[in-house]
Amino acid sequence: QKEVEQDPGPLSVPEGAIVSLNCTYSNSAFQYFMWYRQYSRKGPELLMYTYSSGNKEDGRFTAQVDKSSKYISLFIRDSQPSDSATYLCAITNSGGYQKVTFGTGTKLQVIP
Amino acid sequence: NAGVTQTPKFQVLKTGQSMTLQCAQDMNHEYMSWYRQDPGMGLRLIHYSVGAGITDQGEVPNGYNVSRSTTEDFPLRLLSAAPSQTSVYFCASTPSGGQTGTFGYTFGSGTRLTVV
Repeated sequence: QKEVEQDPGPLSVPEGAIVSLNCTYSNSAFQYFMWYRQYSRKGPELLMYTYSSGNKEDGRFTAQVDKSSKYISLFIRDSQPSDSATYLCAITNSGGYQKVTFGTGTKLQVIP
Repeated sequence: NAGVTQTPKFQVLKTGQSMTLQCAQDMNHEYMSWYRQDPGMGLRLIHYSVGAGITDQGEVPNGYNVSRSTTEDFPLRLLSAAPSQTSVYFCASTPSGGQTGTFGYTFGSGTRLTVV
């Protein structure tokens, strides 16, 4: 079993839709949960991170962690064509970052 | 501009050739790492370094070598290229610890390597 599972998509939605991206993980020791956005032919860039369980909001983006279910989500409200990218979840068990496990990424396309 | 700089952006090698992928960061980050990204496999850690003079293996280190003589530079060497090493390679850096506002990796723009 992979430590982090992520549906590769692709996910295609109309502009303005609410998007839900999800990952599951197997190791309950993980405490830091991150979402990276990767545009085509670019490196990933950190979008949001959360520590432990709960929600975190940043503009149109909300990250949610449910440690009891080992389930993390990223919600995008009022999706825009510029949100079209691959979204990778990433998790680690410490702030030291020596071992960060990435999901395989979900490709999102927002259609105008 | 501050960030992680990778060179070259594209490279084609013949089987058995060697080469070095360059990575430099100007943010004084202690921790640097190399990942490869393959379809359906995600990002896999090749080697990492927690500071100058200190390196360690990641998940897929075979066929690769690294060194860290300065804080800024972390080159990745392919010793004898094989078609299985065809991939996109990313260098990433981060400051150690979990200081607020400095969390997470900064990635370079990648090197697309094809081994024929």
